[in-house]
Amino acid sequence: SQTIHQWPATLVQPVGSPLSLECTVEGTSNPNLYWYRQAAGRGLQLLFYSVGIGQISSEVPQNLSASRPQDRQFILSSKKLLLSDSGFYLCAWSEGESSYNEQFFGPGTRLTVL
Amino acid sequence: SQQGEEDPQALSIQEGENATMNCSYKTSINNLQWYRQNSGRGLVHLILIRSNEREKHSGRLRVTLDTSKKSSSLLITASRAADTASYFCATDAGDSNYQLIWGAGTKLIIKP
Repeated sequence: SQTIHQWPATLVQPVGSPLSLECTVEGTSNPNLYWYRQAAGRGLQLLFYSVGIGQISSEVPQNLSASRPQDRQFILSSKKLLLSDSGFYLCAWSEGESSYNEQFFGPGTRLTVL
Repeated sequence: SQQGEEDPQALSIQEGENATMNCSYKTSINNLQWYRQNSGRGLVHLILIRSNEREKHSGRLRVTLDTSKKSSSLLITASRAADTASYFCATDAGDSNYQLIWGAGTKLIIKP
C-alpha cells in the first residue's frame, strides 16, 4: 500500500532563516507531487506541483522553491523565511496516469516564523 | 485561484442529526471530490462524483451533483461526534489533469 511521509510535524523558525521541508512517498512510481499551504481556517493554496523528476511548476510567485531530486521525494525550501511564510504546509500525491486525480495527503507541517 | 465555494462556512448540529454542506463552482468540470480534514491534520478523500453522475453514496455519505447549477452537496446522515471536521470540495482544473481547485471549506461541529 502507498504511504506518504512528511516532516517535521511542527517547526518554529526565526525570520531570515532557511527552510527545508521534506516529503516522501512509498508504494507507487512516478506520482504527481504537490505542495500546498493552508492559512488558519482557510482552504488550500497550491504552491508547487511536479509530474516527474526535475519538473516543477510554480503556481504562486513567492519566497519559496521546490525540488524533486528523486521520483518519490519532494522538497520545499526557502533561503530566507518571512513572517508571511507561517502556515500549515501539506504535501500530497496522486497517481501519475489517473484521470481522476484523487489526492493523498501527508500529515502536514505547522510552520511558525517569528 | 479558488473555484469551489462551500456554504455554510460553519455548521453546528446535534449528534444524530443530518448535516448538509454545499459547494458551488464556476467552470465546467470532469469530476468533483469531497475531502475531510480533522483539525491540524492532512486531508482525507471521501468521495468522487463524475460530471455524468447525479448522485453517489458511500456509507452515511450522500453526494449530489447538479452540473446545470454548477453545485454539489454533501449529506452526512445520522451524524456522530467523530464527524467533527472541516469538509472541502475540489474540482478538476479543466485544462490541467494534475491540479485540483479547492473551496474554502465548511467547518462542521457535532455536539454530543
